[in-house]
Amino acid sequence: AQSVTQLGSHVSVSEGALVLLRCNYSSSVPPYLFWYVQYPNQGPQLLLKYTTGATLVKGINGFEAEFKKSETSFHLTKPSAHMSDAAEYFCAAINTNAGKSTFGDGTTLTVKP
Amino acid sequence: GAVVSQHPSRVICKSGTSVKIECRSLDFQATTMFWYRQFPKQSLMLMATSNEGSKATYEQGVEKDKFLINHASLTLSTLTVTSAHPEDSSFYICSARALAGGPYEQYFGPGTRLTVT
Repeated sequence: AQSVTQLGSHVSVSEGALVLLRCNYSSSVPPYLFWYVQYPNQGPQLLLKYTTGATLVKGINGFEAEFKKSETSFHLTKPSAHMSDAAEYFCAAINTNAGKSTFGDGTTLTVKP
Repeated sequence: GAVVSQHPSRVICKSGTSVKIECRSLDFQATTMFWYRQFPKQSLMLMATSNEGSKATYEQGVEKDKFLINHASLTLSTLTVTSAHPEDSSFYICSARALAGGPYEQYFGPGTRLTVT
């Protein structure tokens, strides 16, 4: 069965510092991978996705993620955190055979002034 | 971009009554819609998957007679919580997968906060 693990349920960074949110997947077949951001009382919004092709993908708001098959990872980074980045972040994977997404437990990002 | 709406955004109902939540894809056709439930500080829990014109597929542990899902068209799915009880209070989120476009990309609605008193 496919699973997604987000290491660190809470990450706190200072404004302007590097953001690194970790995601590892477990799948017999490399899945499609997604990062979503969720603000309070809102639905998740797609930040970026990896399907095929270039392993470094860029998303909205300056975020990017790199798919590393050898490490079964899809970590999310942003060079310089902004206060508005404070939110909940979910990594998700979908096995194209199954058709359903599997979500990680989420990481709460706090940005300190 | 693809937009998914939900109505209502918030609803308060008395225990024992039924509540219907609508999910619409506004600018695309959705072959598949998903309903999630989210408790505070937790991840999204998939309740069911529905394909247009077919019966919904419910996840294990989700009561199909309590959470009625109808996917009547390529742009509309509804979730009806029947005989609601306080433990049904939660944040319900729908998402839709486009007929064409990004592979398996899901677009989420803004969510519906249900409070059962």
